[in-house]
Amino acid sequence: DAGVIQSPRHEVTEMGQEVTLRCKPISGHNSLFWYRQTMMRGLELLIYFNNNVPIDDSGMPEDRFSAKMPNASFSTLKIQPSEPRDSAVYFCASSLGTSSYEQYFGPGTRLTVT
Amino acid sequence: AQSVAQPEDQVNVAEGNPLTVKCTYSVSGNPYLFWYVQYPNRGLQFLLKYITGDNLVKGSYGFEAEFNKSQTSFHLKKPSALVSDSALYFCAVRDMEGGATNKLIFGTGTLLAVQP
Repeated sequence: DAGVIQSPRHEVTEMGQEVTLRCKPISGHNSLFWYRQTMMRGLELLIYFNNNVPIDDSGMPEDRFSAKMPNASFSTLKIQPSEPRDSAVYFCASSLGTSSYEQYFGPGTRLTVT
Repeated sequence: AQSVAQPEDQVNVAEGNPLTVKCTYSVSGNPYLFWYVQYPNRGLQFLLKYITGDNLVKGSYGFEAEFNKSQTSFHLKKPSALVSDSALYFCAVRDMEGGATNKLIFGTGTLLAVQP
């Protein structure tokens, strides 16, 4: 079992640039979650999908953030334009959803915006 | 509003001693409760869960948690701490607001430091 796969593991970019983070959930899982973790704000849920459909995006900070899930095995989180305050570790997680709600996290993408 | 609280930012324990990391929750209905561990520069790792049944739940790495409905608590325990248990621990509860969802509400985390 490969677990949740995220890429890149590290991203350093300049303010104003577009950033795309990628996630491959565990095969067979039908719920996918994007989180952001910082020292100041802790772990925050940004958005989650059920069966590739966005269900709750209330945690997305602003219009600069967007997420897509074109199929059951791939999701992206895009920031355009990026700002220094977006620097954080971004996690993707997946779960079976029905009857089994524990989430399995990927290794995260550490984003630094200078 | 539903919530989960971890009242201690940090817990210090000597190796070989028992450890407890506290968690209390507030949800409508029967709770689904979870514990996760996060090692430095890693993602959160699922340890154990309580959904129904025996109040004492056993999980990975010798950890267990006790569900106490009257005290609305789900404390994480281990009989004998190891230095390698030093990490950040998160308690979580399934969000049941507005109908059951697949979301989890996470606590703020407790840093466990085990001294050799």
